Amino acid sequence: SAVISQKPSRDICQRGTSLTIQCQVDSQVTMMFWYRQQPGQSLTLIATANQGSEATYESGFVIDKFPISRPNLTFSTLTVSNLSPEDSSIYLCSVRGAGGNEQFFGPGTRLTVL
Amino acid sequence: RKEVEQDPGPFNVPEGATVAFNCTYSNSASQSFFWYRQDCRKEPKLLMSVYSSGNEDGRFTAQLNRASQYISLLIRDSKLSDSATYLCVVNRGGDMRFGAGTRLTVKP
Repeated sequence: SAVISQKPSRDICQRGTSLTIQCQVDSQVTMMFWYRQQPGQSLTLIATANQGSEATYESGFVIDKFPISRPNLTFSTLTVSNLSPEDSSIYLCSVRGAGGNEQFFGPGTRLTVL
Repeated sequence: RKEVEQDPGPFNVPEGATVAFNCTYSNSASQSFFWYRQDCRKEPKLLMSVYSSGNEDGRFTAQLNRASQYISLLIRDSKLSDSATYLCVVNRGGDMRFGAGTRLTVKP
Protein backbone atom coordinates (compact mmCIF):
# COMPACT_ATOMS: atom_id res chain seq x y z
CA SER A 1 0.00 0.00 0.00
CA ALA A 2 1.06 3.60 -0.61
CA VAL A 3 2.25 5.81 2.22
CA ILE A 4 0.50 9.16 2.08
CA SER A 5 1.36 12.27 4.06
CA GLN A 6 -0.59 15.50 4.33
CA LYS A 7 0.37 18.93 5.53
CA PRO A 8 -0.82 20.65 7.63
CA SER A 9 -2.44 18.08 9.90
CA ARG A 10 -4.72 20.77 11.26
CA ASP A 11 -5.26 24.50 11.02
CA ILE A 12 -7.50 27.21 12.34
CA CYS A 13 -8.25 29.94 9.81
CA GLN A 14 -10.12 33.19 9.67
CA ARG A 15 -13.17 33.69 7.52
CA GLY A 16 -12.29 34.94 4.03
CA THR A 17 -8.77 33.52 3.95
CA SER A 18 -7.58 30.41 2.09
CA LEU A 19 -5.81 27.23 3.11
CA THR A 20 -3.66 25.07 0.88
CA ILE A 21 -3.27 21.42 1.80
CA GLN A 22 -0.41 19.34 0.45
CA CYS A 23 -0.49 15.64 -0.25
CA GLN A 24 2.66 13.60 -0.86
CA VAL A 25 2.72 9.93 -1.84
CA ASP A 26 5.77 7.69 -1.54
CA SER A 27 5.24 6.14 -4.97
CA GLN A 28 3.87 7.18 -8.32
CA VAL A 29 0.11 6.80 -8.53
CA THR A 30 -2.25 7.38 -11.40
CA MET A 31 -5.42 8.15 -9.52
CA MET A 32 -5.42 10.76 -6.79
CA PHE A 33 -8.50 12.18 -5.08
CA TRP A 34 -9.58 14.77 -2.57
CA TYR A 35 -12.39 14.07 -0.11
CA ARG A 36 -14.16 16.03 2.56
CA GLN A 37 -15.56 14.52 5.73
CA GLN A 38 -17.76 16.74 7.84
CA PRO A 39 -18.32 15.92 11.51
CA GLY A 40 -20.30 12.71 11.91
CA GLN A 41 -20.64 12.28 8.16
CA SER A 42 -19.12 9.99 5.61
CA LEU A 43 -16.67 10.94 2.91
CA THR A 44 -17.70 13.15 0.03
CA LEU A 45 -15.56 13.21 -3.09
CA ILE A 46 -14.54 16.76 -4.03
CA ALA A 47 -12.54 16.02 -7.15
CA THR A 48 -10.13 13.75 -8.95
CA ALA A 49 -6.70 15.35 -9.29
CA ASN A 50 -5.41 14.78 -12.82
CA GLN A 51 -1.71 14.99 -13.53
CA GLY A 52 -0.97 17.69 -16.07
CA SER A 53 -4.55 18.80 -16.57
CA GLU A 54 -7.46 20.34 -14.75
CA ALA A 55 -9.06 18.38 -11.94
CA THR A 56 -12.42 16.69 -12.44
CA TYR A 57 -14.91 18.10 -9.94
CA GLU A 58 -17.96 16.40 -8.49
CA SER A 59 -21.35 18.02 -8.54
CA GLY A 60 -21.49 20.84 -6.01
CA PHE A 61 -17.76 21.55 -6.06
CA VAL A 62 -16.16 24.18 -8.30
CA ILE A 63 -12.63 25.08 -9.24
CA ASP A 64 -12.86 28.64 -7.97
CA LYS A 65 -13.61 27.42 -4.46
CA PHE A 66 -11.38 24.30 -4.50
CA PRO A 67 -8.47 24.81 -6.89
CA ILE A 68 -6.33 21.71 -7.21
CA SER A 69 -2.84 21.22 -8.56
CA ARG A 70 -1.23 17.93 -9.59
CA PRO A 71 2.21 18.69 -11.01
CA ASN A 72 3.42 15.06 -10.96
CA LEU A 73 2.40 11.53 -10.02
CA THR A 74 3.36 11.82 -6.34
CA PHE A 75 2.09 15.22 -5.26
CA SER A 76 -1.08 17.29 -5.20
CA THR A 77 -2.45 20.34 -3.45
CA LEU A 78 -6.00 21.33 -2.59
CA THR A 79 -6.79 24.95 -1.77
CA VAL A 80 -9.97 25.84 0.04
CA SER A 81 -10.65 29.45 -0.87
CA ASN A 82 -12.64 32.27 0.68
CA LEU A 83 -13.18 30.25 3.83
CA SER A 84 -16.43 30.27 5.76
CA PRO A 85 -17.36 28.33 8.90
CA GLU A 86 -19.22 25.83 6.70
CA ASP A 87 -15.84 24.76 5.29
CA SER A 88 -14.81 23.43 8.69
CA SER A 89 -14.18 19.78 7.99
CA ILE A 90 -11.54 17.11 7.54
CA TYR A 91 -9.98 17.05 4.10
CA LEU A 92 -8.45 13.77 2.98
CA CYS A 93 -6.16 12.93 0.13
CA SER A 94 -6.61 9.48 -1.35
CA VAL A 95 -4.92 7.32 -3.97
CA ARG A 96 -5.98 4.23 -5.87
CA GLY A 97 -3.85 1.15 -5.41
CA ALA A 98 -1.84 -0.43 -8.20
CA GLY A 99 -4.58 -2.98 -8.80
CA GLY A 100 -6.98 -0.13 -9.49
CA ASN A 101 -9.48 -1.25 -6.92
CA GLU A 102 -8.49 -0.46 -3.38
CA GLN A 103 -8.13 3.06 -2.09
CA PHE A 104 -5.77 4.40 0.53
CA PHE A 105 -6.10 7.59 2.50
CA GLY A 106 -3.82 10.19 3.94
CA PRO A 107 -4.15 11.10 7.62
CA GLY A 108 -6.35 14.08 6.83
CA THR A 109 -6.23 17.80 7.50
CA ARG A 110 -8.60 19.11 10.14
CA LEU A 111 -9.71 22.62 9.22
CA THR A 112 -11.56 24.92 11.57
CA VAL A 113 -12.82 28.25 10.25
CA LEU A 114 -13.65 30.95 12.75
CA ARG B 1 -32.02 8.02 -1.80
CA LYS B 2 -28.33 7.61 -0.99
CA GLU B 3 -26.37 5.31 -3.25
CA VAL B 4 -24.92 3.40 -0.29
CA GLU B 5 -26.97 3.06 2.87
CA GLN B 6 -25.95 1.75 6.26
CA ASP B 7 -27.54 1.56 9.66
CA PRO B 8 -25.66 4.31 11.54
CA GLY B 9 -25.92 2.50 14.86
CA PRO B 10 -24.44 2.90 17.34
CA PHE B 11 -24.01 -0.74 18.13
CA ASN B 12 -22.93 -1.26 21.72
CA VAL B 13 -21.91 -4.84 22.40
CA PRO B 14 -20.03 -6.69 25.13
CA GLU B 15 -16.65 -8.26 24.50
CA GLY B 16 -17.00 -11.65 22.91
CA ALA B 17 -20.29 -10.86 21.21
CA THR B 18 -21.04 -11.45 17.55
CA VAL B 19 -22.27 -8.40 15.66
CA ALA B 20 -23.43 -7.95 12.09
CA PHE B 21 -23.61 -4.84 9.94
CA ASN B 22 -25.66 -4.46 6.81
CA CYS B 23 -25.30 -2.25 3.79
CA THR B 24 -27.44 -1.78 0.69
CA TYR B 25 -26.49 -0.14 -2.57
CA SER B 26 -28.77 1.27 -5.21
CA ASN B 27 -26.80 0.94 -8.42
CA SER B 28 -26.87 -2.56 -9.88
CA ALA B 29 -23.87 -1.72 -12.07
CA SER B 30 -21.63 -1.60 -9.00
CA GLN B 31 -18.66 -3.82 -9.52
CA SER B 32 -16.64 -4.25 -6.37
CA PHE B 33 -17.27 -3.85 -2.69
CA PHE B 34 -15.28 -3.19 0.43
CA TRP B 35 -15.48 -2.65 4.14
CA TYR B 36 -13.31 0.08 5.60
CA ARG B 37 -12.66 0.81 9.23
CA GLN B 38 -12.30 4.33 10.58
CA ASP B 39 -11.09 4.99 14.09
CA CYS B 40 -11.97 8.24 15.81
CA ARG B 41 -9.99 11.14 14.33
CA LYS B 42 -8.16 8.83 11.93
CA GLU B 43 -8.38 8.15 8.22
CA PRO B 44 -10.37 5.21 6.83
CA LYS B 45 -8.38 2.02 6.33
CA LEU B 46 -9.28 -0.97 4.22
CA LEU B 47 -10.58 -3.82 6.34
CA MET B 48 -11.46 -6.29 3.62
CA SER B 49 -12.76 -6.65 0.12
CA VAL B 50 -16.08 -8.40 -0.37
CA TYR B 51 -16.24 -11.21 -2.91
CA SER B 52 -19.31 -12.74 -4.50
CA SER B 53 -18.67 -16.09 -2.86
CA GLY B 54 -18.25 -14.49 0.55
CA ASN B 55 -14.92 -14.31 2.31
CA GLU B 56 -13.49 -14.59 5.75
CA ASP B 57 -10.49 -13.02 7.42
CA GLY B 58 -10.03 -14.28 10.94
CA ARG B 59 -12.99 -13.10 13.01
CA PHE B 60 -14.43 -11.10 10.11
CA THR B 61 -16.78 -12.48 7.46
CA ALA B 62 -18.07 -10.47 4.53
CA GLN B 63 -20.98 -11.48 2.32
CA LEU B 64 -22.35 -10.07 -0.91
CA ASN B 65 -25.81 -10.63 -2.36
CA ARG B 66 -25.90 -9.07 -5.80
CA ALA B 67 -29.54 -9.97 -6.42
CA SER B 68 -30.61 -8.04 -3.33
CA GLN B 69 -27.82 -5.47 -3.65
CA TYR B 70 -26.82 -6.13 -0.10
CA ILE B 71 -23.49 -6.47 1.69
CA SER B 72 -22.85 -7.62 5.22
CA LEU B 73 -19.99 -7.76 7.69
CA LEU B 74 -20.00 -10.19 10.61
CA ILE B 75 -17.58 -9.80 13.49
CA ARG B 76 -17.22 -12.75 15.83
CA ASP B 77 -15.75 -12.73 19.33
CA SER B 78 -15.66 -8.92 19.46
CA LYS B 79 -12.61 -7.26 20.99
CA LEU B 80 -12.36 -3.86 22.60
CA SER B 81 -10.07 -2.89 19.73
CA ASP B 82 -12.88 -3.50 17.24
CA SER B 83 -14.53 -0.28 18.42
CA ALA B 84 -14.62 1.96 15.35
CA THR B 85 -16.86 3.13 12.54
CA TYR B 86 -17.26 0.64 9.70
CA LEU B 87 -17.78 2.09 6.23
CA CYS B 88 -19.37 0.19 3.39
CA VAL B 89 -17.79 1.15 0.07
CA VAL B 90 -19.01 0.41 -3.44
CA ASN B 91 -16.98 0.82 -6.61
CA ARG B 92 -19.04 1.75 -9.64
CA GLY B 93 -17.01 2.18 -12.77
CA GLY B 94 -14.04 3.55 -10.87
CA ASP B 95 -16.10 5.83 -8.64
CA MET B 96 -15.89 4.82 -5.00
CA ARG B 97 -19.06 5.58 -3.07
CA PHE B 98 -18.99 5.55 0.71
CA GLY B 99 -21.74 4.77 3.14
CA ALA B 100 -22.14 7.00 6.16
CA GLY B 101 -20.73 4.29 8.40
CA THR B 102 -21.91 2.15 11.29
CA ARG B 103 -20.47 2.94 14.66
CA LEU B 104 -19.47 0.02 16.89
CA THR B 105 -18.51 0.23 20.55
CA VAL B 106 -17.31 -2.95 22.25
CA LYS B 107 -17.52 -2.74 26.02
CA PRO B 108 -15.72 -4.82 28.67
